[in-house]
Amino acid sequence: GQNIDQPTEMTATEGAIVQINCTYQTSGFNGLFWYQQHAGEAPTFLSYNVLDGLEEKGRFSSFLSRSKGYSYLLLKELQMKDSASYLCAALDSNYQLIWGAGTKLIIKP
Amino acid sequence: DAMVIQNPRYQVTQFGKPVTLSCSQTLNHNVMYWYQQKSSQAPKLLFHYYDKDFNNEADTPDNFQSRRPNTSFCFLDIRSPGLGDAAMYLCATSRESGSSYEQYFGPGTRLTVT
Repeated sequence: GQNIDQPTEMTATEGAIVQINCTYQTSGFNGLFWYQQHAGEAPTFLSYNVLDGLEEKGRFSSFLSRSKGYSYLLLKELQMKDSASYLCAALDSNYQLIWGAGTKLIIKP
Repeated sequence: DAMVIQNPRYQVTQFGKPVTLSCSQTLNHNVMYWYQQKSSQAPKLLFHYYDKDFNNEADTPDNFQSRRPNTSFCFLDIRSPGLGDAAMYLCATSRESGSSYEQYFGPGTRLTVT
């Protein structure tokens, strides 16, 4: 079956760095997305990785290892507004998005 | 600004009373999706359109129907809502199917069933 695993909840301190991990098992693979979702709002796109390695975009970076079926989202210089759920989603061989349940990130002052 | 719009943002309906949710987009994207998302769960794809080509997910209940009269609009009809259908309904678009293009989401409609 197809499966995405990510932690349910994480807590971090304002100004710190946090890494949210995601492992995936899909029928074929055409890339991995990270989305941010604030409570009661729609997901917004953060990143897309299809090749191995690290993609940096401001305070957010995303890493992919295809051989390990593993990705992480790295958030630096955490701000209170970063409190949200972070969803990992993998594109399978049919270009269907397989979604994780999201990691709820709580930022403390 | 090009965007995905959903109306209404909040919808209350009675058990068994049909309800229609609407989505429109100004992005001119070929693909439109309807997702159901319950609290702390992953979005669940209900169906998607590539242009007018309708694709129903195998486990989408018959109670859910959809229409796409033109490129810009898409509707989700719930024929007889049950208490278990209370959820956030998300509409999304993407440029092409079968590609790596990101999906753009509307703000969602939160459905309450009483």
